[in-house]
This record gives sequence, C-alpha cells and structure tokens, in this order.
Amino acid sequence: SQTIHQWPATLVQPVGSPLSLECTVEGTSNPNLYWYRQAAGRGLQLLFYSVGIGQISSEVPQNLSASRPQDRQFILSSKKLLLSDSGFYLCAWSVRTSWGETQYFGPGTRLLVL
Amino acid sequence: AQSVTQLDSQVPVFEEAPVELRCNYSSSVSVYLFWYVQYPNQGLQLLLKYLSGSTLVKGINGFEAEFNKSQTSFHLRKPSVHISDTAEYFCAVRTRGTDKLIFGTGTRLQVFP
Repeated sequence: SQTIHQWPATLVQPVGSPLSLECTVEGTSNPNLYWYRQAAGRGLQLLFYSVGIGQISSEVPQNLSASRPQDRQFILSSKKLLLSDSGFYLCAWSVRTSWGETQYFGPGTRLLVL
Repeated sequence: AQSVTQLDSQVPVFEEAPVELRCNYSSSVSVYLFWYVQYPNQGLQLLLKYLSGSTLVKGINGFEAEFNKSQTSFHLRKPSVHISDTAEYFCAVRTRGTDKLIFGTGTRLQVFP
C-alpha cells in the first residue's frame, strides 16, 4: 500500500531564516506531487505541483520554491522566511488512471515563523 | 474558471442528529468531486469521491453525498453523527483533463453531546 511522509511535523523558525520541508511517498511510481498551504481558518492554497522529476509548476508567486530530486521526493524551500509563511503545509500525491485521479494527503507540517 | 463554495463555515449539531454540509461548484465542463475530512492537527483524509456512474456516493464513517448536476451541488450527509465526527470538512472539484484540485474554504462540524 502507498504511504506518504512529511517531516518535520512541527517547526518554529525566526523571520529571515531558511526553510526545507520534505515529503516522500512509498509504494507507487511516478506520482504527481503537490504542496499546499493552509493558513489558520482558511482553505487550502495550491503552491506547487510536479508531474515528474525536475518538473515543477508554481501556482502562486512568492518566496517559496519546490524541487523534486527523486521520483518520490518533493521538497519545499525558502531562502528567507516571512511572517506570512506561517501555516500548515500539506503534501499530496496522486496517480492518474483512466477513470480519473484522486489526491491523498500527508500528515502535514505546522510552521510558525516568529 | 472553477470555484467551490461551501455555504456554511460552521455547523453545530447534537450527537445522533442528522447533518448536511453543503457544497456548490461552478464549472462549464465535466468534473470530478471530492469530500475530505481534516481532524485537528492532521492531514486531509478522503471521505468519498464522485468520478462517474451513480450520483449517490457512499464513503467512510457512514457519510454519503449526492451529485446533482442541474444544481451543481455535491452535498455531504450523515443520518446520525457522533462526537468523533467533529472536524473540518472540505469539498473539492477537479475538471476532467486537469491535474489540479480546487478546494472550498471548509466547514467546521461541531458535534455536541
């Protein structure tokens, strides 16, 4: 069966510090991978998605970036965090089939920027 | 452009009462529809999905939803809720032929004893 991992689970970082959040998927090959952010009391905002190694699409221009160095690894990064980067970051994976595609989510990383 | 509207930000109910969480979407083409549940400090868990076929979809934990194309709705229902159903519920839509899910802003279901 497929599983998705995210770490760290929680993170407290000062403004201006770098960021690296990791997401890995097991039990599937060539998944689509997604990064979402959920701000307090709000819905989910798609940040990045990837359909293959080295292929990243950005949905929202900001100080975050994403990379996919391996088939089942998706990394979210920032060189300098802002206060507004605080939130709950969710990684998701999906595999396209003939009848459609369903996204499955990881446990999330809660980021607090102070 | 696609959009998803969850009409109620909060729904308080008593235990064992029925509940309906409303979801409407706008899209000019065929869609796939999803409901996810998020328990506190956790990721999203898929409750149910409509891809094709029967418009009444049954999911986990006793939830079901009905796809109504004429009303562009996908309301979530449960005949008798439990305290453990207290969570945030998200409706989402994906247009056929695209990879991206569009989420509603969520409905917080609070079940009281």
